[in-house]
Amino acid sequence: QVRLVQSGAEVKKPGASVKVSCTASGYTFTTYALLWVRQAPGQRPEWMGWINTGNGNTRYSLKFQDRLTISKDASASTTVMELSGLTSEDTAVYYCARVADSACGNSRCPWGQGTLVTVSS
Amino acid sequence: EIVLTQSPAILSLSPGERATLSCRASQSVSSNLAWYQQKPGQAPRLLIYDASNRATGIPARFSGSGSGTDFTLTISTLEPEDFAVYYCQQRSRWPITFGQGTRLDIK
Repeated sequence: QVRLVQSGAEVKKPGASVKVSCTASGYTFTTYALLWVRQAPGQRPEWMGWINTGNGNTRYSLKFQDRLTISKDASASTTVMELSGLTSEDTAVYYCARVADSACGNSRCPWGQGTLVTVSS
Repeated sequence: EIVLTQSPAILSLSPGERATLSCRASQSVSSNLAWYQQKPGQAPRLLIYDASNRATGIPARFSGSGSGTDFTLTISTLEPEDFAVYYCQQRSRWPITFGQGTRLDIK
């Protein structure tokens, strides 16, 4: 069964960094790109970045590109999102997700369960 | 940035009725549009990819149509579990963007 399982909730102080991991199972990790998306309470999802899990190429939203790093460890079928310089505006649920493309006709394209990141002094 | 505008913001219907949700893009996204369903406290679930293709495991009552700038998600006969928030998303151009959502309420 195709699944994306994320690391647990985090509480961080302003100015700190957070790392959230996402581990894939049920398919070959390097076959499909992954997205990172966040959602603040009551808001629409917001795209943060994309990683080609095969060659490691990344693409970041301009909003986050100065403080966002997305990486992968193919041996562990895991991608990691690191966001630095946290402020209270970064309090949100962070998700990894399969890209919604033609591969989703043959394979499930789930999102991870979400990781709540709370930034508070 | 491509702006996606969904309408209506809130749709109140009864089980058994037909739901029609709209998503309009500020410029053409070809067919690179997806629809998601989100229930409280849950991650979004992919329903439709590439405008009109049902994702694996999605019931046939969900269908998508459109291309270019105007898209529609139709739920043919509403089931109680369909009442949720629905988002459209485009991947035609960076940055990937989402609509503001349509909340489907039980009337």
